[in-house]
Formats: sequence, C-alpha cells, structure tokens
Amino acid sequence: ETGVTQSPTHLIKTRGQQVTLRCSSQSGHNTVSWYQQALGQGPQFIFQYYREEENGRGNFPPRFSGLQFPNYSSELNVNALELDDSALYLCASSTGSGTGELFFGEGSRLTVL
Amino acid sequence: AQSVTQLGSHVSVSEGALVLLRCNYSSSVPPYLFWYVQYPNQGLQLLLKYTTGATLVKGINGFEAEFKKSETSFHLTKPSAHMSDAAEYFCAVSDLGGYQKVTFGTGTKLQVIP
Repeated sequence: ETGVTQSPTHLIKTRGQQVTLRCSSQSGHNTVSWYQQALGQGPQFIFQYYREEENGRGNFPPRFSGLQFPNYSSELNVNALELDDSALYLCASSTGSGTGELFFGEGSRLTVL
Repeated sequence: AQSVTQLGSHVSVSEGALVLLRCNYSSSVPPYLFWYVQYPNQGLQLLLKYTTGATLVKGINGFEAEFKKSETSFHLTKPSAHMSDAAEYFCAVSDLGGYQKVTFGTGTKLQVIP
C-alpha cells in the first residue's frame, strides 16, 4: 500500500507566476484535501475534492484552484503568485468515511520571490 | 464554526518527565478530535483520534488524550518524554457538516532536554 506522494518537494517562483502542485492519494482513498502551512503556523484548509468534485473550500481566493482525476490524484494550481503564498502545501487523502482522519504527504515547499 | 486553541507555542520538558500539551476546542456539534505530530520537513502523522465512545484515547508512541466535554478540552499526555518526541504537535477538530474539513490549531513545539 503506497502512501500519499507529492511533487515537487521544493520549488521557487517569482511574483505573478503560476504553479501546479501534484498529489497522489493513498490507495483506496477517494477524497483529497489541500492545506497551506505558513512558517510557524498550523495548516489552513484550502479545499477538498471528493470523486472529482470540489465539495468544500476554505477562505482562499479564486486564484487557488484544483482538480481531481478519475484515479483520485489531484492538482493544486495557484495563479498570480504573491509573496505571502510562500508556504508548505500539504495534500491529505482520506476514505470519505466521515471520521475526518487524514493521511498527509510530506508537502511541497513553495518559495515566492 | 469550529476552532481549536493550543495553549503554549513552545513547551520544554526534561527527558523522562511528563509531557502535557493543552488543547481546547469549540464546536457546535459533537466533535471528532485529533492530535497530529510533525517532524521537521515532513508532513503530519496522526497520533490519536477521538470519535465516539471511551473518552480516554490511546495513540502511538505512548501518547494518550482525554476528551472532557465539560471543559471542552482534549489535552495530550505522555508519562515519560523521550528525545525522539521532540517535534511539533497539532490539535485538530473535524467538521462533519457535509464534508470533512479539519481545522488545526497553531501547534505546540515540544523540546526535550537531555
């Protein structure tokens, strides 16, 4: 059984650019959530995908968007990058059973210059 | 809306001493509560969870937590700290209102002094 994998692990972008982060969910999981973790902070909920549909969103602007594919892998896209977007982006998968238990990847560290 | 408050952003204990990390929650419905641990440059790993039933929950690595509804608390404890316990710990609450949004606290960084 493979766990949650994310790519890339590190990347550097400049203001105004666009970035795509990728996540492969754990085997058997149909739900993927994305979190932003700024330095020294707890993870902040961006959005969640269940069976290819967004079914929940946190307080993030529309330039944060996502996709989920038929194999339940997912992408997070961020347009018009700002300096404050620098953070660790965490993907978490779950079974959709309703208990809320999340299985996290190791994250993608984004630095915006 | 649900929320979690972790008291103390940094906690230091001596090796072998009791670990106590505090968490209070706010939720309009019976909550599901979690503790996650994050080692440097890694993702989060589930330590333990409370859903329903027994209020004292045992997790991995000797950690346990007790759900106290009257105090809206879910404090994390370990009788004897080990050097390998040094990490950041996050308390979290799950919102079951239609989707599995999990709200995290700001974290407590645990330092273990030899």
